[in-house]
Amino acid sequence: GAGVSQSPSNKVTEKGKDVELRCDPISGHTALYWYRQSLGQGLEFLIYFQGNSAPDKSGLPSDRFSAERTGGSVSTLTIQRTQQEDSAVYLCASSHGTSGSWGTGELFFGEGSRLTVL
Amino acid sequence: GDSVTQMEGPVTLSEEAFLTINCTYTATGYPSLFWYVQYPGEGLQLLLKATKADDKGSNKGFEATYRKETTSFHLEKGSVQVSDSAVYFCALSGPGSARQLTFGSGTQLTVLP
Repeated sequence: GAGVSQSPSNKVTEKGKDVELRCDPISGHTALYWYRQSLGQGLEFLIYFQGNSAPDKSGLPSDRFSAERTGGSVSTLTIQRTQQEDSAVYLCASSHGTSGSWGTGELFFGEGSRLTVL
Repeated sequence: GDSVTQMEGPVTLSEEAFLTINCTYTATGYPSLFWYVQYPGEGLQLLLKATKADDKGSNKGFEATYRKETTSFHLEKGSVQVSDSAVYFCALSGPGSARQLTFGSGTQLTVLP
């Protein structure tokens, strides 16, 4: 598609269950980001993928969170043993990402996946 | 670490009113500064940017000037429209974390006809 696609758009789960959130970036974009947007909070950086390089996982809040990116395209964010504080909107973004063009700072965001943990 | 502070919302204005949304930042070195906008039901999108001191970013009638002396990047528009109703996020990209954007908490703007 033309934009960043995320699924599901809404997910309600019970505490302790695992969830997977999917992101399909814009074709040709080598950089992919996950952010978390909690109510009343700014966007919190979670993880960054650039091409075949090792991902920058510095923003992941705990070892219950993990992400992978297969074939340099689609990414899955997995949250294990969900907790109520994990409730948030999870945003995926992509960009051209090469070091020479990063300076544009333009990330293209999906509409997000709203996660509610009961 | 890097941080961005935005004026708290929500902000409600009448159509054609003047808009200012304040944004200040803390960063080492010389960051690039951005405003992103999130319209209802849509993903965030870049509104404007400035990459060095005294630069003015502009788009769709919105402007923001990179003020190094006051570490600010306030968003302004001379005459808002109902269609400007959205959440506005100030963000920076610091030289030490150039692959990440640090965002403010967002300001909800509602423009009434």
